[in-house]
Amino acid sequence: DSGVTQTPKHLITATGQRVTLRCSPRSGDLSVYWYQQSLDQGLQFLIQYYNGEERAKGNILERFSAQQFPDLHSELNLSSLELGDSALYFCASSPTGQRVTDTQYFGPGTRLTVL
Amino acid sequence: AQSVTQLGSHVSVSEGALVLLRCNYSSSVPPYLFWYVQYPNQGLQLLLKYTSAATLVKGINGFEAEFKKSETSFHLTKPSAHMSDAAEYFCAVSDPGNQFYFGTGTSLTVIP
Repeated sequence: DSGVTQTPKHLITATGQRVTLRCSPRSGDLSVYWYQQSLDQGLQFLIQYYNGEERAKGNILERFSAQQFPDLHSELNLSSLELGDSALYFCASSPTGQRVTDTQYFGPGTRLTVL
Repeated sequence: AQSVTQLGSHVSVSEGALVLLRCNYSSSVPPYLFWYVQYPNQGLQLLLKYTSAATLVKGINGFEAEFKKSETSFHLTKPSAHMSDAAEYFCAVSDPGNQFYFGTGTSLTVIP
């Protein structure tokens, strides 16, 4: 158990809908990262937050957005969903947000299925 | 731009045999390199990382990797495979701008 929790574990929805994925980091970690893992695109970094502020942005679509709240939990919002958005979405957390020196701890993921 | 290539999407070894998983990178600046492992139905776990210190990096579970700048490689090895090593392994590279790129992964099967 990494200490990172993600809810829900599974999500099934229809095209065009909007969903919110939630992540609670390990106690004491200030940074949260979101990743997408799909058969087509492999594992991709989406976005990183540190203490409520966006730190780095990867291959995140404009239909997707994220935020980190004052209590440090984070939400990833996916809108106008398409079939291709079906994937496993991972959240990770780390103490300081310095990706090179920090170790990232990954949650178990949320599996999103878009029908 | 950074990129990572993992040669061999599937590797099978016998229990007790050497594990060698290949990773080559391209980077315009000195890279930071990582190996992660993903067990079935779980998130990723960091095995080891190279951050421009020693070129031979030792990680958890008996794994190690050697950074070879001349070959732009960061191959992962373990002298003796265990059944518990069966998993998906990802090589990743990060640049100073905090961008992070993963390879396509190598699925390791250990044959008893």
